[in-house]
Amino acid sequence: GEDVEQSLFLSVREGDSSVINCTYTDSSSTYLYWYKQEPGAGLQLLTYIFSNMDMKQDQRLTVLLNKKDKHLSLRIADTQTGDSAIYFCADRGSTLGRLYFGRGTQLTVWP
Amino acid sequence: EPEVTQTPSHQVTQMGQEVILRCVPISNHLYFYWYRQILGQKVEFLVSFYNNEISEKSEIFDDQFSVERPDGSNFTLKIRSTKLEDSAMYFCASSDITGTNTGELFFGEGSRLTVL
Repeated sequence: GEDVEQSLFLSVREGDSSVINCTYTDSSSTYLYWYKQEPGAGLQLLTYIFSNMDMKQDQRLTVLLNKKDKHLSLRIADTQTGDSAIYFCADRGSTLGRLYFGRGTQLTVWP
Repeated sequence: EPEVTQTPSHQVTQMGQEVILRCVPISNHLYFYWYRQILGQKVEFLVSFYNNEISEKSEIFDDQFSVERPDGSNFTLKIRSTKLEDSAMYFCASSDITGTNTGELFFGEGSRLTVL
């Protein structure tokens, strides 16, 4: 089945950029996602990218997609302490609404 | 802002007992889901539900699991006879038709199930 992998931890200093990386295996993926989970909260969709795009920018967030290498990244510019959370990479399977998630990357931002 | 709510937030049960996890999806959403995350592992799809029937279920969703929409607002997950390996955080999610296509699922905060 579909496999999504991401590193588990990332620490950055406030004001620096954060880059969270993800790899996936399904070459027929149409949408790829970044979800965010803050402590005690559910998963919240941050952004998504359609597979025919290489890049998507939304304010401080930049998503890069390398379809050849099946690599997705999320860059957060000017990272703030409020960005500390778990970030999940996800891939949509063939069925609408069925997502394949990675384990999540715990982002810690130091003041 | 509308949100998905789940109860209980944490349930401790003995192995072999039945458990019902409850969810109230966003009111105008028509697609409902259960996902789970075993500690340290990936968030895994369990089941999707639309028009009062299961749309898809994963290999995890065996005969011990069932889902129901008993009224116009609740969506429940029942585990008939819990096993130790059912200990996990269970997430309910809902979406409208657009969200189902784009992957914008609205998740609840999760129900942590501990099986002793």
